[in-house]
Amino acid sequence: RKEVEQDPGPFNVPEGATVAFNCTYSNSASQSFFWYRQDCRKEPKLLMSVYSSGNEDGRFTAQLNRASQYISLLIRDSKLSDSATYLCVVNIGNQGGKLIFGQGTELSVKP
Amino acid sequence: DTAVSQTPKYLVTQMGNDKSIKCEQNLGHDTMYWYKQDSKKFLKIMFSYNNKELIINETVPNRFSPKSPDKAHLNLHINSLELGDSAVYFCASSQEMGLTEAFFGQGTRLTVV
Repeated sequence: RKEVEQDPGPFNVPEGATVAFNCTYSNSASQSFFWYRQDCRKEPKLLMSVYSSGNEDGRFTAQLNRASQYISLLIRDSKLSDSATYLCVVNIGNQGGKLIFGQGTELSVKP
Repeated sequence: DTAVSQTPKYLVTQMGNDKSIKCEQNLGHDTMYWYKQDSKKFLKIMFSYNNKELIINETVPNRFSPKSPDKAHLNLHINSLELGDSAVYFCASSQEMGLTEAFFGQGTRLTVV
């Protein structure tokens, strides 16, 4: 089983749609969870951290389920500018704190 | 002021050559990383340094040698380049190893011909 696994993509959605990304992780000792965004030919950038209680930032909502080792990202009212690859990132705490990236899910928002 | 900067941005070189990529961060972070992103876009950690000390070496061929002269710099030297080394190499830094977000440099696109 991969350490961090994401939904296969790509997701093609119309503007205004709601889209959800899922991610599972294998190490129950993980302590930190993030969603990153990577635009084509650019570096990954933090979209949001994911907290146990769930957190929201505008149109973006992240949730964590430690029991199921599952993380989600919900994007509401998607915009053309949301088109990018979304990366689930998990720290493997008992191995010196590696940040492990999922393979990414590509989102394409169409007019 | 760029937080994490790496040079060069593009590198085209022949098989067998030796090349270096430099990375500097001005965020005052203790931890720096090298990641490799292959043609399938998968980002894989190569090395992690904390306060100039090597912490993680992810079974990378020993042709790859990181060097950290101080905690603000982490350079990557690659000997005897192979075609399979072609990828985008990202440098990153974080305040606490693995626990806080990592900030990435713009990447170095290495092409070995």
